[in-house]
Amino acid sequence: EAGVTQFPSHSVIEKGQTVTLRCDPISGHDNLYWYRRVMGKEIKFLLHFVKESKQDESGMPNNRFLAERTGGTYSTLKVQPAELEDSGVYFCASSQYRGYTTQYFGPGTRLLVL
Amino acid sequence: DQQVKQNSPSLSVQEGRISILNCDYTNSMFDYFLWYKKYPAEGPTFLISISSIKDKNEDGRFTVFLNKSAKHLSLHIVPSQPGDSAVYFCAAIPISGGGADGLTFGKGTHLIIQP
Repeated sequence: EAGVTQFPSHSVIEKGQTVTLRCDPISGHDNLYWYRRVMGKEIKFLLHFVKESKQDESGMPNNRFLAERTGGTYSTLKVQPAELEDSGVYFCASSQYRGYTTQYFGPGTRLLVL
Repeated sequence: DQQVKQNSPSLSVQEGRISILNCDYTNSMFDYFLWYKKYPAEGPTFLISISSIKDKNEDGRFTVFLNKSAKHLSLHIVPSQPGDSAVYFCAAIPISGGGADGLTFGKGTHLIIQP
């Protein structure tokens, strides 16, 4: 069974540009999460989808970030316009259930904003 | 304010010996804890978890201990093997309190297994 996949693996953009990250969860997993790790800091939660609905977006830094999960399958995270402090590694995770369950992580997208 | 703390940025252990990684938390609502292992340029890989109704969970070479009164958990790896060299993250979540589903992570401990 395929794991969580993310695309692209790396992205280098200039400040002010737009970048869209994609996450494909494990097949059958209704729950999809986005996390971010900036240099030297801990991995931080951004938001949680249950199917196509945003369950919790309390971790989203500001309105330059927009996450979608149309159809309840893959998800995109768009950053527009990108700022220098957005640089970091963006991880996606998925789980079949909520609660006492395991979140499985993808390899991450490394974003560098110059 | 960090709610999950891993106070040792790195730990060096000889192959074959026991590795003990520590994690402290401050939020008493946390009731489910997970350990993840991460290699460079990869995502975190789930290792083992424990709920607050238990004080120990074992899976092969990995054992997690939870001390709720001290708000402390530890991961024991025995015997340590070269492939265990990685960054280990402690994560926590408040399940029964109806809180958010996002994991709260510590900053990680880099475990180095020396031959």
